[in-house]
Amino acid sequence: DGGITQSPKYLFRKEGQNVTLSCEQNLNHDAMYWYRQDPGQGLRLIYYSQIVNDFQKGDIAEGYSVSREKKESFPLTVTSAQKNPTAFYLCASSTSDLGAFFGQGTRLTVV
Amino acid sequence: QQQVKQSPQSLIVQKGGIPIINCAYENTAFDYFPWYQQFPGKGPALLIAIRPDVSEKKEGRFTISFNKSAKQFSLHIMDSQPGDSATYFCAASMAENAGNMLTFGGGTRLMVKP
Repeated sequence: DGGITQSPKYLFRKEGQNVTLSCEQNLNHDAMYWYRQDPGQGLRLIYYSQIVNDFQKGDIAEGYSVSREKKESFPLTVTSAQKNPTAFYLCASSTSDLGAFFGQGTRLTVV
Repeated sequence: QQQVKQSPQSLIVQKGGIPIINCAYENTAFDYFPWYQQFPGKGPALLIAIRPDVSEKKEGRFTISFNKSAKQFSLHIMDSQPGDSATYFCAASMAENAGNMLTFGGGTRLMVKP
């Protein structure tokens, strides 16, 4: 099955804690993205990567970090610097010929 | 700066009606316009997409109409069903932007009443 796998589906973070969200794709796509979605809102770009070992900040990168050591993987770390991290996080990948394909999301809640 | 403006924010229709969702873009370099459908708690799924060399594309009950001169495109859902109730996002990208990075509209929450 080709696709994008995000894990975990639900994640709880304590105040001041860093957490890492996993995103793996087997579509052989070069580009990968992380979006944040707040209730009833649209998609806001956090980070994107067009090639291994390279990534760029999106519109709301503060308090987040990423790595792209492998083509298949693009993990997102939500750091303690992100003061309002409760949201639905979506990972996507794409090629130059087709639109983006999304994972099923990770819902992060601060407890 | 929002480069893709989507309207309305929410829409309620009766079963069998034809909801229409509109999007307008600013960047004339955009050359790929997809629509995504998102159910609660799920990731968006690619529904249908169009390139500016055609004015209309139909897939099943979903139709995209594209007006290049007006820089507008819209999604029509024929014979809408309660199962179509979801949030719909339009988007735009340009081929020169490696990986086809998308700029999204703000979304439209559609409810189809039985």
